[in-house]
Amino acid sequence: GAVVSQHPSRVICKSGTSVKIECRSLDFQATTMFWYRQFPKQSLMLMATSNEGSKATYEQGVEKDKFLINHASLTLSTLTVTSAHPEDSSFYICSARPGMNTEAFFGQGTRLTVV
Amino acid sequence: GEDVEQSLFLSVREGDSSVINCTYTDSSSTYLYWYKQEPGAGLQLLTYIFSNMDMKQDQRLTVLLNKKDKHLSLRIADTQTGDSAIYFCAVFSGGYNKLIFGAGTRLAVHP
Repeated sequence: GAVVSQHPSRVICKSGTSVKIECRSLDFQATTMFWYRQFPKQSLMLMATSNEGSKATYEQGVEKDKFLINHASLTLSTLTVTSAHPEDSSFYICSARPGMNTEAFFGQGTRLTVV
Repeated sequence: GEDVEQSLFLSVREGDSSVINCTYTDSSSTYLYWYKQEPGAGLQLLTYIFSNMDMKQDQRLTVLLNKKDKHLSLRIADTQTGDSAIYFCAVFSGGYNKLIFGAGTRLAVHP
């Protein structure tokens, strides 16, 4: 199957700093990428849909100024958690689809810990 | 809005079959997926089914789809200890153009 690479897999940062997470589709082009957040022992919650060359579409309740998404190319989307706080600590997962109405492939996730 | 529901926990004996159920509300769903998540890891796509199919088999995995009742199930034959994980049902909502996840079913396999 197609490969989606997410980096870093783990990151610890201090409160108030910003953290960037990268999501790359390695062997296909993805016009759309999705960013999810997973709290411990809970399901994935869609945060935003990232569209190449246009602004991301954020789900209700997700602060777009706090979670900056940039989909600069057909193989790369980034999520920047700005001014991170301990409550932002979570598992963030991206996914990408090679095209409309195809299966979604997921990155391995990034565990963010804000101290 | 769209909703996907699963039972939260399932315990089976090694060698038995496991059946994990999922219901959804969006009738415009096109793709329906099953993902596996092991502790601390990302999601692994196990299998998926198109909405115009009612069954798909892939080795030990069988997916059944009842589109009328909006019910999806995943059967794992000859369940092994390595199958212990959380299994997520996910539905691609054509109307909303996004993938909606259930809460996940934790499968525990005991000797």
